Amino acid sequence: DTEVTQTPKHLVMGMTNKKSLKCEQHMGHRAMYWYKQKAKKPPELMFVYSYEKLSINESVPSRFSPECPNSSLLNLHLHALQPEDSALYLCASSPIRGGTGELFFGEGSRLTVL
Amino acid sequence: LAKTTQPISMDSYEGQEVNITCSHNNIATNDYITWYQQFPSQGPRFIIQGYKTKVTNEVASLFIPADRKSSTLSLPRVSLSDTAVYYCLVGDLYGNNRLAFGKGNQVVVIP
Repeated sequence: DTEVTQTPKHLVMGMTNKKSLKCEQHMGHRAMYWYKQKAKKPPELMFVYSYEKLSINESVPSRFSPECPNSSLLNLHLHALQPEDSALYLCASSPIRGGTGELFFGEGSRLTVL
Repeated sequence: LAKTTQPISMDSYEGQEVNITCSHNNIATNDYITWYQQFPSQGPRFIIQGYKTKVTNEVASLFIPADRKSSTLSLPRVSLSDTAVYYCLVGDLYGNNRLAFGKGNQVVVIP
């Protein structure tokens, strides 16, 4: 299994809603990532988890709250978002050691904030 | 972190070889060069990785000169399905997970 699965594929939410994006991988990777991508822009790193602990937070606003409940799952909790937060949210995983350190990406969750 | 610079876009005719360059003047000794391909509304996909000289796999070749300050991704005989954005990333494989994407190069393959 070489897939990273993200759900939901599409999400529309109001600025007062609370929602979550989910990411799952079964490749045994111990590094997991959240990226945000606006239209016609490169992916921007948001968070990195290493061995289920948050290792990098790229100064992301607190309305985005990541969680890594176990080595296969990564969540991104969303609360009080702004319309400018509308974007494609990409999850990725990679091995900590061995191989090429290749990032395996999911297909993304397309978020629209009204 | 080594910053990368790529041309914004390029067009190529179907069946031609496409060479995409990336500049990374401040590459560090431990850094590898990795290329990703991204189609619209999909996550990026790994293409190839190298440290020096030449690397070839079933889809591409990667040329890295001795000073490692640049690299060239070569796609042989492109087809319409190779129309995508191509990103080069430079970084330590494992010691630094802060892998930052540059602006990428939009390649459009023309029939």
